[in-house]
Amino acid sequence: AQTVTQSQPEMSVQEAETVTLSCTYDTSESDYYLFWYKQPPSRQMILVIRQEAYKQQNATENRFSVNFQKAAKSFSLKISDSQLGDAAMYFCAYRSRGGSEKLVFGKGMKLTVNP
Amino acid sequence: NAGVMQNPRHLVRRRGQEARLRCSPMKGHSHVYWYRQLPEEGLKFMVYLQKENIIDESGMPKERFSAEFPKEGPSILRIQQVVRGDSAAYFCASSLGRTGTPYEQYFGPGTRLTVT
Repeated sequence: AQTVTQSQPEMSVQEAETVTLSCTYDTSESDYYLFWYKQPPSRQMILVIRQEAYKQQNATENRFSVNFQKAAKSFSLKISDSQLGDAAMYFCAYRSRGGSEKLVFGKGMKLTVNP
Repeated sequence: NAGVMQNPRHLVRRRGQEARLRCSPMKGHSHVYWYRQLPEEGLKFMVYLQKENIIDESGMPKERFSAEFPKEGPSILRIQQVVRGDSAAYFCASSLGRTGTPYEQYFGPGTRLTVT
């Protein structure tokens, strides 16, 4: 079974600074998707960014980018120019490309942005 | 285009009562997923349904929990004889399934169930 690990339960960053959130996963599959979801205090789950394992290029979405290291099974999220609205819980998630479509989530990490 | 709708947003039940949680997927989506989030935890998969079919229920507790997604109407997650340990946030997500690329799941706002 696949597992997702987020080893840092909390982090803080100064507004306008850059922060990196770490995530590792375990799988025997070669083709899969990885996601970062954001959960603000409203508890709505919001997709931040996704990465397809067969793509070598790291995904980017505006201020958000990932560092995908397939051999190391590592998938970190970098937030540049942090904003107060980035404060939230961040969850890393894994999904097989074939088979079940379920998402496997990490336990999450609470990000605080200091003004 | 309305997003995934869940109701109620908050539900309070006494131990032993039944809880019914509803989920209306995004327009055009025929795949629905239910997840449970316990306090201080990530989301845990419960069940994956298509219209009138349960595709994967590997995350569903063996007793008291059931889910359906009828041909017409919302998907329902039903919890019978609730216990305090059922208190959690229950999230529904929907997707286009394999016809979409890359079949992203869009989440509803969740239903917070409190068992007293």
